[in-house]
Amino acid sequence: EAGVVQSPRYKIIEKKQPVAFWCNPISGHNTLYWYRQNLGQGPELLIRYENEEAVDDSQLPKDRFSAERLKGVDSTLKIQPAELGDSAVYLCASSAVNTGELFFGEGSRLTVL
Amino acid sequence: AQTVTQSQPEMSVQEAETVTLSCTYDTSENNYYLFWYKQPPSRQMILVIRQEAYKQQNATENRFSVNFQKAAKSFSLKISDSQLGDTAMYFCAFMGNTDKLIFGTGTRLQVFP
Repeated sequence: EAGVVQSPRYKIIEKKQPVAFWCNPISGHNTLYWYRQNLGQGPELLIRYENEEAVDDSQLPKDRFSAERLKGVDSTLKIQPAELGDSAVYLCASSAVNTGELFFGEGSRLTVL
Repeated sequence: AQTVTQSQPEMSVQEAETVTLSCTYDTSENNYYLFWYKQPPSRQMILVIRQEAYKQQNATENRFSVNFQKAAKSFSLKISDSQLGDTAMYFCAFMGNTDKLIFGTGTRLQVFP
């Protein structure tokens, strides 16, 4: 069974440029998470989806970040415009309903110059 | 709000020895999950072990075991017979009734030959 797939693995952009990250969760997993992990820190939740509905986006900086999960399968996280402080690893994870166990992708490392 | 605290930023252990990583958490909920995740240098987060709060028996997965003290809100991870491949960041995490996984700041474990 394929795991959580994320792309791109690495992205370097200049500040004020847009960037987008893509995630394909494990087949059959209804819940999808986007986390941000700063260097030397634990991941912090940005947004959680149940199917196509965003059920927790309280930590998503909505002025510049947006996310979507059309059809309740894969998801895209966008930053526009990017700022220097957005440099981090963006992790996607998925889980089946009521299991409490998340499966993570390898992450997308963003560097903003 | 729930919080997870890992007070050991770095730990080291010699191969074949035993090491214990500490974690404390704060919550007012009675039913929840606790996890230890491992993040090797490749960055993909991997579940090591999981504990349901309603279970008194400590979870065990091969060389990994936990000491779950619910009253003290303590959840330590013991790694027995440490191997070089255990070198990684280890994150303690909490999930309550919001289905939001909250991570600690991590402990960097180095296993020496």
